[in-house]
Amino acid sequence: DTAVSQTPKYLVTQMGNDKSIKCEQNLGHDTMYWYKQDSKKFLKIMFSYNNKELIINETVPNRFSPKSPDKAHLNLHINSLELGDSAVYFCASSQAGTGKETQYFGPGTRLLVL
Amino acid sequence: GQNIDQPTEMTATEGAIVQINCTYQTSGFNGLFWYQQHAGEAPTFLSYNVLDGLEEKGRFSSFLSRSKGYSYLLLKELQMKDSASYLCAVRVGDSWGKLQFGAGTQVVVTP
Repeated sequence: DTAVSQTPKYLVTQMGNDKSIKCEQNLGHDTMYWYKQDSKKFLKIMFSYNNKELIINETVPNRFSPKSPDKAHLNLHINSLELGDSAVYFCASSQAGTGKETQYFGPGTRLLVL
Repeated sequence: GQNIDQPTEMTATEGAIVQINCTYQTSGFNGLFWYQQHAGEAPTFLSYNVLDGLEEKGRFSSFLSRSKGYSYLLLKELQMKDSASYLCAVRVGDSWGKLQFGAGTQVVVTP
């Protein structure tokens, strides 16, 4: 199936641990994003990469480090997890230069930090 | 910063029409999107407006007035499956500009 996929879907971990979330898209898009959706359902942009280059870097703690090995993948590594990091993390992708540049979202990774 | 306001919740009956308003204050406006998000699922794209006017797509229509910083999403012939959160999002900047989302409007469709 053509889609944006994320692993894992659920992640439960202790405070202080380091964890990674992976995202892959097979839509042939050149731009990928990470969003965080908190308990109040606010969806906020964290990072964006275009052709493996970082183009959007919002005010995010430097414990969060995105990595894009190629334009189909964008991973998110989080160091020293804190309680406030508990949220749903969505990956998205789009194709630049199409006019709409509609962003398509992955299924989300539900992170719970205990 | 960007301010995007939409009502928190709306309730309507199956078969009825509901209009979800969204107002925004932004600089560098480059399009407005509506997404639907069912509980526990990913947001899915519904509509896009960049010019003033109405865009119709089946039971869903979206309107934009850039001078007023205003958009609405119109849902017609409501079905139970339309119960979801509807997110208004404004794109700022260039073609890969970030989307700024509103908090979402929870629509509850009752029999």
